Amino acid sequence: GQQLNQSPQSMFIQEGEDVSMNCTSSSIFNTWLWYKQDPGEGPVLLIALYKAGELTSNGRLTAQFGITRKDSFLNISASIPSDVGIYFCAGQEPETDKLIFGTGTRLQVFP
Amino acid sequence: GAGVSQTPSNKVTEKGKYVELRCDPISGHTALYWYRQSLGQGPEFLIYFQGTGAADDSGLPNDRFFAVRPEGSVSTLKIQRTERGDSAVYLCASSLMGQGNTEAFFGQGTRLTVV
Repeated sequence: GQQLNQSPQSMFIQEGEDVSMNCTSSSIFNTWLWYKQDPGEGPVLLIALYKAGELTSNGRLTAQFGITRKDSFLNISASIPSDVGIYFCAGQEPETDKLIFGTGTRLQVFP
Repeated sequence: GAGVSQTPSNKVTEKGKYVELRCDPISGHTALYWYRQSLGQGPEFLIYFQGTGAADDSGLPNDRFFAVRPEGSVSTLKIQRTERGDSAVYLCASSLMGQGNTEAFFGQGTRLTVV
């Protein structure tokens, strides 16, 4: 099935560092979402972006919806150990809310 | 219930057997989705229900896979003649309307292993 291209595939950082990951698509989406998945759990929504060029923050998380509507990035500032997990971007289809997920970025934070 | 509930949480079955995976969505959510997540991959869409009807089943990989939602609430994903390649985590999600910009909430998934 279709998946969005997400990079990097994995990151190993020290607590307190900032993190950046991005996602690109060959298709245009009107809504971009970022999810976090912990082991043995389903994805949990972190941030939703509804407008091209939009920059949205949620605590230490900041995400932007690319102007072409084909890309997005997520930044995490001042990482902490509980940020560990897999982060997925997703494009949302407008009529059905069906999600097309990225390939994921695995984040490891060392104290 | 408070969240999306999936049962069983783990299922091991022999190749060729039939399995059923159950999803209890959040009460009042009319839209229900099934996704499949293979190891190291993002979830991939299988099927979407709006109420009782399958509005989009374009993600089902072949005719061994079938899903129902007879009363517009609980859904069952059915896999016939299972193959080793069917091993994955099957995720269910529900949302309020599924018609634009509504958040989907995911269950914890059913890990299916075909041996």
